[in-house]
Amino acid sequence: RKEVEQDPGPFNVPEGATVAFNCTYSNSASQSFFWYRQDCRKEPKLLMSVYSSGNEDGRFTAQLNRASQYISLLIRDSKLSDSATYLCVVNPSRAGGFKTIFGAGTRLFVKA
Amino acid sequence: GAVVSQHPSWVICKSGTSVKIECRSLDFQATTMFWYRQFPKQSLMLMATSNEGSKATYEQGVEKDKFLINHASLTLSTLTVTSAHPEDSSFYICSASSGTTSTDTQYFGPGTRLTVL
Repeated sequence: RKEVEQDPGPFNVPEGATVAFNCTYSNSASQSFFWYRQDCRKEPKLLMSVYSSGNEDGRFTAQLNRASQYISLLIRDSKLSDSATYLCVVNPSRAGGFKTIFGAGTRLFVKA
Repeated sequence: GAVVSQHPSWVICKSGTSVKIECRSLDFQATTMFWYRQFPKQSLMLMATSNEGSKATYEQGVEKDKFLINHASLTLSTLTVTSAHPEDSSFYICSASSGTTSTDTQYFGPGTRLTVL
C-alpha cells in the first residue's frame, strides 16, 4: 500500500461547481498535512495546511480525519484558474528530522 | 513570502557528462533543504534531505555517489548529477525550510528540467 494515495482523476467540472478530493495516508503517526497545487511543468505551491480542527480559506476547505486516516479538500464555486494538479502532502514524524511524502496528485480541469 | 530560486531552469546535456543544479533561498536562511525528482505524471519523489554543514541523508534507492549534494551555506545547496544518462532526464525540484520539524513549511524552487541525450 502506498504511503499516500490519491485518486489521479482527472476531475472535469464546469465553472461554479463544487468538487472534493480525498487523500488517504497509511502512517497513523503522521504529524502534519498539507495540500499543494502544481500547475503543468511548474513547482508545487502551498495551498493550505490541514489542521485537526479543519481549515478554510475562501473557497477552499480542508479537513483531517485521523480515525480514518484521510484528508480532504473541498473547492467551492470552481474557477477556470483552479485547473491544476492538487497534491496531498504528509509529514510522518521522525525523530531528528522530517520527511515529506507527496501523493501522486489529483488532476482537476474546470471548464467554461 | 519566502523565495527559493533554482539555476538553471532547464539543461540539455550529453550522456556521460555531469550537471550541477543550484538551489538558493533568497530571503531566509534554510536550515534544511530537500531535493526531489518528478517524472511525468508522477508524484514528487524525495531524493535526499540536507542540513547546512552536514552530509545529506539519501532516501532508499538513491545513489549518493551519482547524486552529489552539497549544502555549503544556509542559503545554498547544490545537486550534481554525475555521469548523467538518459534515464536521469527528469524534473528536479528543491525546497527549503527554515525549520527542522514536520510542521515547518517547505518553499519550493521553480525546478530544473534536465534532458540527457
